[in-house]
Amino acid sequence: GAVVSQHPSRVICKSGTSVKIECRSLDFQATTMFWYRQFPKQSLMLMATSNEGSKATYEQGVEKDKFLINHASLTLSTLTVTSAHPEDSSFYICSARIPGTDPYEQYFGPGTRLTVT
Amino acid sequence: GQQVMQIPQYQHVQEGEDFTTYCNSSTTLSNIQWYKQRPGGHPVFLIQLVKSGEVKKQKRLTFQFGEAKKNSSLHITATQTTDVGTYFCARDQGAQKLVFGQGTRLTINP
Repeated sequence: GAVVSQHPSRVICKSGTSVKIECRSLDFQATTMFWYRQFPKQSLMLMATSNEGSKATYEQGVEKDKFLINHASLTLSTLTVTSAHPEDSSFYICSARIPGTDPYEQYFGPGTRLTVT
Repeated sequence: GQQVMQIPQYQHVQEGEDFTTYCNSSTTLSNIQWYKQRPGGHPVFLIQLVKSGEVKKQKRLTFQFGEAKKNSSLHITATQTTDVGTYFCARDQGAQKLVFGQGTRLTINP
């Protein structure tokens, strides 16, 4: 089956620093990827849609200057959390769909657990 | 996008008992998807329902889509410890985006 990878799986950073998370589609090309955030025991909240070759589209309430998304190739999207603060500590998960397939299931990466101290 | 309401939030059962989670929308859904997330893991796609009144089975799992396409359910018969996790329904918001329900966290007493 399709595989989406994420790196790193865990990261601890100090408040005020930036962290980059990579999301890769391993055996298919993804023109669109999605970034979610999940707080403990809560649901997944869509943060933004990453579009290859164009700007990301952000959901309401998500600061685009804080969560920088770059979709530089058909297999790689990156999320950079800038000037991270403890309240940004969360589980960040990316996903992608295989173009042209039905059902339109999303394949999720294993997630990145960010802890900001 | 419109939220999908999912109940219950938590369910604890004895191994062998049945389990059901419900997903409700105030608006008609084009389709509904179900995902399972194991503790510490990521969501994994289970199924998509598209047709009004549709019923699909996967071994001990039965998925239903309401006649009005505003609600859906997932029923697990005779739960096993491997069924532990959080079950999410998700609606298609358009532009390939999914909106997830709050999830039902299933724990099982062996």
